[in-house]
Amino acid sequence: QSALTQPPSASGSPGQSVTVSCTGTSSDVGRYKLVSWYQQHPGKVPKVMIYDVSERPSGVPDRFSGSKSGNTASLTVSGLQAEDEADYYCSSYTDSNNFIFGGGTRLTVL
Amino acid sequence: EVQLVESGGGTVQPGGSLRLSCAASGFTFSSHYIHWVRQAPGKGLLWVSRVGPDGSDTAYADSVKGRFTISRDNAKNTVYLQMSSLRAEDSAVYYCGRQIGGAGLTLGQGTLVTVSS
Repeated sequence: QSALTQPPSASGSPGQSVTVSCTGTSSDVGRYKLVSWYQQHPGKVPKVMIYDVSERPSGVPDRFSGSKSGNTASLTVSGLQAEDEADYYCSSYTDSNNFIFGGGTRLTVL
Repeated sequence: EVQLVESGGGTVQPGGSLRLSCAASGFTFSSHYIHWVRQAPGKGLLWVSRVGPDGSDTAYADSVKGRFTISRDNAKNTVYLQMSSLRAEDSAVYYCGRQIGGAGLTLGQGTLVTVSS
């Protein structure tokens, strides 16, 4: 099963909004509401920011939001802050009863 | 506080075996799916395996199927990943994770596995 497709990089200025896309197929993203997003700072453990397409775990700022349309899921970071600069990975459950990740997007705060 | 502590990593020769452990605390362990995810140095995340609450529901990535076995001991709040026929490409930091909702994972600190001669 191929990895989900994410843009290698994204950027925005402080205070702006940026959206990261995650494209799969009708066998994963398009079929299930089981998409998650992870934030990873250099040398740190990945942290779940969004699960089940749009749910935020306790403690995650509401500047982070998730959505899905067809085979593409999206993570939007509003009111961009310096600490949001990190790698972001999406993940989805698949109809092969496993999970796949995207290749990751490096978000740069200009 | 939810805690997941991985152990058992180290250096092993190609073709060798290793057993990773994931000790959990701070939540009702026997009610949660537990997963393993790995990350090779400088690379992205790769899902490896998961086990259901009572240990009967297991799944594996194609790249490890037949070589890795996941299990759990709910009396010890611990999940294991038995890895055999290890290859250089299995070298990575291995994270265990507690599933939240339908598919989110809160990950532990990880344990490093190096497969090298």
